[in-house]
Amino acid sequence: DAKTTQPPSMDCAEGRAANLPCNHSTISGNEYVYWYRQIHSQGPQYIIHGLKNNETNEMASLIITEDRKSSTLILPHATLRDTAVYYCIVRVAGVDRGSTLGRLYFGRGTQLTVWP
Amino acid sequence: NAGVTQTPKFQVLKTGQSMTLQCAQDMNHNSMYWYRQDPGMGLRLIYYSASEGTTDKGEVPNGYNVSRLNKREFSLRLESAAPSQTSVYFCASGPTGSQEKLFFGSGTQLSVL
Repeated sequence: DAKTTQPPSMDCAEGRAANLPCNHSTISGNEYVYWYRQIHSQGPQYIIHGLKNNETNEMASLIITEDRKSSTLILPHATLRDTAVYYCIVRVAGVDRGSTLGRLYFGRGTQLTVWP
Repeated sequence: NAGVTQTPKFQVLKTGQSMTLQCAQDMNHNSMYWYRQDPGMGLRLIYYSASEGTTDKGEVPNGYNVSRLNKREFSLRLESAAPSQTSVYFCASGPTGSQEKLFFGSGTQLSVL
């Protein structure tokens, strides 16, 4: 699986957009980009994923560059409750992938702090 | 809407003691996983179960055993706890072919003295 690079920490004012970058320059054509977050002392929470098109759901938007070597997670109106560690994961998706199933490599992620 | 439930939330053991961490999901998922998270690090996969009746080792299986009791339940056992197993343990589940959309429990904080 391709590795990802994320800044260790970022700050954002409440109500503003939080843009979290992720570099995945060695991504393969069949690898998806996933984002999870982990609020302090809780289990990780799925946010969004995409292959090559931009994606949006009720939580966030995912912008993937045309060459797919980087992506940005956008929280359009950050709140204090969005303070968390955000993980960018690149992974082949599919059914019955044997021993690699579920092997999400979370890395150290980006600590996002939203301040009032 | 319980999702993934883990018990206990906290546990303190002495070196050499044994214990079982319990995990249950009510989402009818085929796949279940056990991860550990150490301070300042990401999650590492211990064991997983792709379906009822099957289990496989992850990245860090040494010192652990698992049982997929039925489709809902997946337990993690420490036969002889060691201080190196002090960690936060997370159980997760997901449907087969879910493109990695996993659902996690709230974790068990385990300290081995």
